Amino acid sequence: GQQVMQIPQYQHVQEGEDFTTYCNSSTTLSNIQWYKQRPGGHPVFLIQLVKSGEVKKQKRLTFQFGEAKKNSSLHITATQTTDVGTYFCAAYNAGNNRKLIWGLGTSLAVNP
Amino acid sequence: EAEVAQSPRYKITEKSQAVAFWCDPISGHATLYWYRQILGQGPELLVQFQDESVVDDSQLPKDRFSAERLKGVDSTLKIQPAELGDSAMYLCASSLGTIQYFGAGTRLSVL
Repeated sequence: GQQVMQIPQYQHVQEGEDFTTYCNSSTTLSNIQWYKQRPGGHPVFLIQLVKSGEVKKQKRLTFQFGEAKKNSSLHITATQTTDVGTYFCAAYNAGNNRKLIWGLGTSLAVNP
Repeated sequence: EAEVAQSPRYKITEKSQAVAFWCDPISGHATLYWYRQILGQGPELLVQFQDESVVDDSQLPKDRFSAERLKGVDSTLKIQPAELGDSAMYLCASSLGTIQYFGAGTRLSVL
């Protein structure tokens, strides 16, 4: 079936280091969303990207949508312990906004 | 801020017993989703409702799972009989457009 591949699966960084997670699809995406799930919590919506090449920023987080609308990235600058959690990308295929396809997530651990 | 309400938060049951989970979406959200999430994995869609109609239940194990949203508002997910492999977090989400808002989930442990 249609899949959204997310890498890496795990990332362990020292506080203050940068972090990036990548999301890739073999098919063109209508849009892509990023969610954060804290340990023991539930997914919380962060952002949605719709346009080809779109870049959005939220404080230390930078989200990009590829020119071909087949990949996306989330970059965190100078990680903090509050960034700990699992980051999921989720996307709708072009022409089908009814089913959200989820990546497997990247679990981020931050050493203080 | 409006939230998706789920109950119970935790449920412990023995295998072969019946369990039920309840979800009340954000007011006005026509689309409601039930997900299952196993520890360390992403959410897996079990069933999606548009108002009271099921639009996707392709991953719902229909021999033991059932879901309903009779009045197009709140929803119930039932498992009968529960099996050991059903131990997971059951998440409910709702949406008005493409963004999904999740409840806190029900953590199910089947002994």
